[in-house]
Amino acid sequence: QKEVEQDPGPLSVPEGAIVSLNCTYSNSAFQYFMWYRQYSRKGPELLMYTYSSGNKEDGRFTAQVDKSSKYISLFIRDSQPSDSATYLCAISNSGGYQKVTFGTGTKLQVIP
Amino acid sequence: DSGVTQTPKHLITATGQRVTLRCSPRSGDLSVYWYQQSLDQGLQFLIQYYNGEERAKGNILERFSAQQFPDLHSELNLSSLELGDSALYFCASSSRGLAGGQGNEQFFGPGSRLTVL
Repeated sequence: QKEVEQDPGPLSVPEGAIVSLNCTYSNSAFQYFMWYRQYSRKGPELLMYTYSSGNKEDGRFTAQVDKSSKYISLFIRDSQPSDSATYLCAISNSGGYQKVTFGTGTKLQVIP
Repeated sequence: DSGVTQTPKHLITATGQRVTLRCSPRSGDLSVYWYQQSLDQGLQFLIQYYNGEERAKGNILERFSAQQFPDLHSELNLSSLELGDSALYFCASSSRGLAGGQGNEQFFGPGSRLTVL
């Protein structure tokens, strides 16, 4: 079983839609959760970083963590064509030096 | 622009050869990470350095090695290259390299695309 599972998509939505991206993880020792956005042939860009269960909001983006279910989500409101990219969830250990495990990414296309 | 720089952007070489990829972290960041991204494997953690010392190891092949220099730039050396080594190689940096907590987020460079023919 992979440590982090993410639906690869692709996911295609109309402009203005609410997008839900999800990951599950297997190791309850993971304590820190991140979402990265990666445009084609570019480096991943950090969108959200959280370490507690519940919601964290930043503009049109909301990260949700449910540690009891080992489930994390990223919601994008009012999606724009510029949001078209691959979204990677990432999970980090707690304590010691950081080791980050990435999901395989979900490719999102927002159609104008 | 994340502040992390990587060279070269693209590299084409033959099987059996050796290449070196270079990374300069963001100003002030002490920790450097190397990742490999291929189509079928996603983003795989290879190795982490903190202030010149190796701190964590992932799925790095024995044919690959890395180091971090006193000026904090890092190099990833790939030898005896195989077709399957063709991938994007990313470097990321963070301030302290510790798990969790504010200020330990990783910032990625633009990547080096390696093609092995």
